[in-house]
Amino acid sequence: QVQLQESGPGLVKPSETLSLTCTVSGGSISPFYWSWIRQPPGKGLEWIGYIYYSGNTNYNPSLKSRVTISVDTSKKQVSLRLTSVTAADTAVYYCAKHSGAYAPADNWGQGTLVTVSS
Amino acid sequence: QSVLTQPPSTSGTPGQRVTISCSGSRSNIGSNTVNWYQHLPGTAPKLLIYSSNQRPSGVPDRFSGSKSGTSASLAISGLQSEDEADYYCATWDDSLNGFVFGTGTKVTVV
Repeated sequence: QVQLQESGPGLVKPSETLSLTCTVSGGSISPFYWSWIRQPPGKGLEWIGYIYYSGNTNYNPSLKSRVTISVDTSKKQVSLRLTSVTAADTAVYYCAKHSGAYAPADNWGQGTLVTVSS
Repeated sequence: QSVLTQPPSTSGTPGQRVTISCSGSRSNIGSNTVNWYQHLPGTAPKLLIYSSNQRPSGVPDRFSGSKSGTSASLAISGLQSEDEADYYCATWDDSLNGFVFGTGTKVTVV
């Protein structure tokens, strides 16, 4: 069973850039899709976007202008960058694996809380 | 912001059957299969149902899913205390060209 572990700063200042990394262990990073999904406190899940192991990406239109997802296959890592953050970006951020472009997220990390505050 | 609508909460006694609805539109549920996730706070969400009515290995057959038109449902029969969690439906949206989630339903075992 593939294991996913999110890591990164737990506190980011408003207007700065949120950067997170998801490390994949116990399995291959290919030929899968890797999503970032977030959950603001007290709210539901929101898909941020995903990347194919080859580098092709697809982003949520509501976040597209601020999001970059990248992959490093040699390190088996998937990264998220979210620019110009505000308090509304405070959330638990999850990475997840999909077996196909339209397939469900069948394996999730434990998530990491990122708080946007000065 | 969620494009899929679920009831905020539902409850049942042990052994009872509960159902959770998920309402969407032609561009999402109407065109694609539905997945359901179980989420306990502080843990990783778990895939419960995929392709509208399929259970991954290890998911008890107490959980079942169905889809009709632009709506889907998750049923939990023989409700158990460990089923107390948040449940989310999700699917692909052809108009948004991305995944969408439901608003989430909290199941309480009373």
